[in-house]
Amino acid sequence: GQNIDQPTEMTATEGAIVQINCTYQTSGFNGLFWYQQHAGEAPTFLSYNVLDGLEEKGRFSSFLSRSKGYSYLLLKELQMKDSASYLCAVRDSGGGADGLTFGKGTHLIIQP
Amino acid sequence: AAGVIQSPRHLIKEKRETATLKCYPIPRHDTVYWYQQGPGQDPQFLISFYEKMQSDKGSIPDRFSAQQFSDYHSELNMSSLELGDSALYFCASSLGNRNIQYFGAGTRLSVL
Repeated sequence: GQNIDQPTEMTATEGAIVQINCTYQTSGFNGLFWYQQHAGEAPTFLSYNVLDGLEEKGRFSSFLSRSKGYSYLLLKELQMKDSASYLCAVRDSGGGADGLTFGKGTHLIIQP
Repeated sequence: AAGVIQSPRHLIKEKRETATLKCYPIPRHDTVYWYQQGPGQDPQFLISFYEKMQSDKGSIPDRFSAQQFSDYHSELNMSSLELGDSALYFCASSLGNRNIQYFGAGTRLSVL
């Protein structure tokens, strides 16, 4: 089975930086994904890590440490539209088209 | 760019009725995944198909079935609907069975 933990809610200020942490315990591992989801809408892909280290993509960066079962999503230059839920998801190491196991999501509130 | 298309966007059914949800993947994508997201919950993986064959199975009830057709679109068939089946149903697609999953806008099913 898989267990994924992330904070339920975080608050940050417009223009600032925020880091959303995710820890996971999985029987197998073949990649960690971050998705953004606005209420009632589809999850939107943000980043993907399969090897240790930092992946940077514009205002968003994601870090992975497989030995620690740990990842974080870093959002810079926060904008009001970044208010959303951020979902950490892990893919198992099975042989097929595996479904993702999602964490409960972190609800990020951006204040002016 | 073309995205994953799901239909219908909204569906209202009564208990014990049947429902069929359709998913059209991004052009050239050969892999489809189905997820169920209850109110305030994270998406739960149901089932996936790669090259028209079932690839992985998650928490899909026996009352549900799905298939992927020759044009790669997929349908999720739900029978004997229960109140607890009310949820957002997302379809995602990927190019290849181990790549990034892109989500459709979802079908909101309400069972009365």
